[in-house]
Amino acid sequence: GENVEQHPSTLSVQEGDSAVIKCTYSDSASNYFPWYKQELGKGPQLIIDIRSNVGEKKDQRIAVTLNKTAKHFSLHITETQPEDSAVYFCAASRRDTDKLIFGTGTRLQVFP
Amino acid sequence: EAGVAQSPRYKIIEKRQSVAFWCNPISGHATLYWYQQILGQGPKLLIQFQNNGVVDDSQLPKDRFSAERLKGVDSTLKIQPAKLEDSAVYLCASSSLSGRAREQFFGPGTRLTVL
Repeated sequence: GENVEQHPSTLSVQEGDSAVIKCTYSDSASNYFPWYKQELGKGPQLIIDIRSNVGEKKDQRIAVTLNKTAKHFSLHITETQPEDSAVYFCAASRRDTDKLIFGTGTRLQVFP
Repeated sequence: EAGVAQSPRYKIIEKRQSVAFWCNPISGHATLYWYQQILGQGPKLLIQFQNNGVVDDSQLPKDRFSAERLKGVDSTLKIQPAKLEDSAVYLCASSSLSGRAREQFFGPGTRLTVL
């Protein structure tokens, strides 16, 4: 069935460093890949997304890359700040459905 | 614009009891989702509505879970009877059929503890 694997499960970085989270999906029909940030006690919030017709997308300090051949996509956060500390989830969905398949999450800690 | 509202925020019940959660989506959003998020895992879709019709309920444990979305706006999710393994955060999300149609907006969730 559909599956999304996410690594690492935890990531600790110093403020100002970069952080990279990687995901792999199994369904070759997937064409939409959002990333969500979830802070303690809150629901997930969309931070960036990418569709299968592009290979990279940037939004200020956040970028996402997609390799359709390898079925990999990654989140890159540059110049990390303490407020970036949260759990990040990748997800994937197919063209014919809005059903999101989520990864298992990465807990990012940014130390001052 | 108001976000997705959910209540209650927390609920503690004993196994075999029943419980209901309520969700009010963003105004005008036709699609509504209920997810189950077990501690340490990503959200898992339980049921998806478009207006007041069910689009996908393939992962809803129908022997104990039920959901409805009367009038295509608010929705309720019910568990009867609850089991220990139902302890989780239940998230409601909504999305629009127009514009960025696939962006899902999540509510704060209801944390359920089954003792």
